[in-house]
Amino acid sequence: DAKTTQPNSMESNEEEPVHLPCNHSTISGTDYIHWYRQLPSQGPEYVIHGLTSNVNNRMASLAIAEDRKSSTLILHRATLRDAAVYYCILRPSNDYKLSFGAGTTVTVRA
Amino acid sequence: DTAVSQTPKYLVTQMGNDKSIKCEQNLGHDTMYWYKQDSKKFLKIMFSYNNKELIINETVPNRFSPKSPDKAHLNLHINSLELGDSAVYFCASSQAGGAYEQYFGPGTRLTVT
Repeated sequence: DAKTTQPNSMESNEEEPVHLPCNHSTISGTDYIHWYRQLPSQGPEYVIHGLTSNVNNRMASLAIAEDRKSSTLILHRATLRDAAVYYCILRPSNDYKLSFGAGTTVTVRA
Repeated sequence: DTAVSQTPKYLVTQMGNDKSIKCEQNLGHDTMYWYKQDSKKFLKIMFSYNNKELIINETVPNRFSPKSPDKAHLNLHINSLELGDSAVYFCASSQAGGAYEQYFGPGTRLTVT
């Protein structure tokens, strides 16, 4: 499984943007970059995914480096509800499973 | 209207018993999954079915047997439960392939005493 590297934890203030980095230097051309999050005592929740171009949705933005060896998940205005573990996952286009790492624990201060 | 539902939410049982966890999705997806999250919070794939056929079977003891009666349901049966089986089990579903997101259920917390 292609590996990703994320910081163990990050802190943010409420209503400020959060930039979550992910390194994936061994990414291959068919690997999609997926982001999921897991709030306390809940199942993982899809956030966003992309292949080569930057992506935006109602939850977040995904900025993908030109060489695709790194990406950044951007939460535009953090709320207390965004406190969760965020997982950056590489998923080949022909693979069904998600291979979760340790993720980044995001803490949001009121 | 819950997209992916699991029953039961909590399951407490003794070693050696046999138990089942049920999962249903109403999203019309072809692919369903079972993941296990242990006490250290690592999430790991166990099984996946696509159109009722087993496509992923990770290194899981034979005591675990998934069953998919139709595309909307994927059940997990566990024989001869052991203490190490205590974990949270998540069901998920998606369209087929790596380009599509997975939707997870709320989890079933299994405690084996």
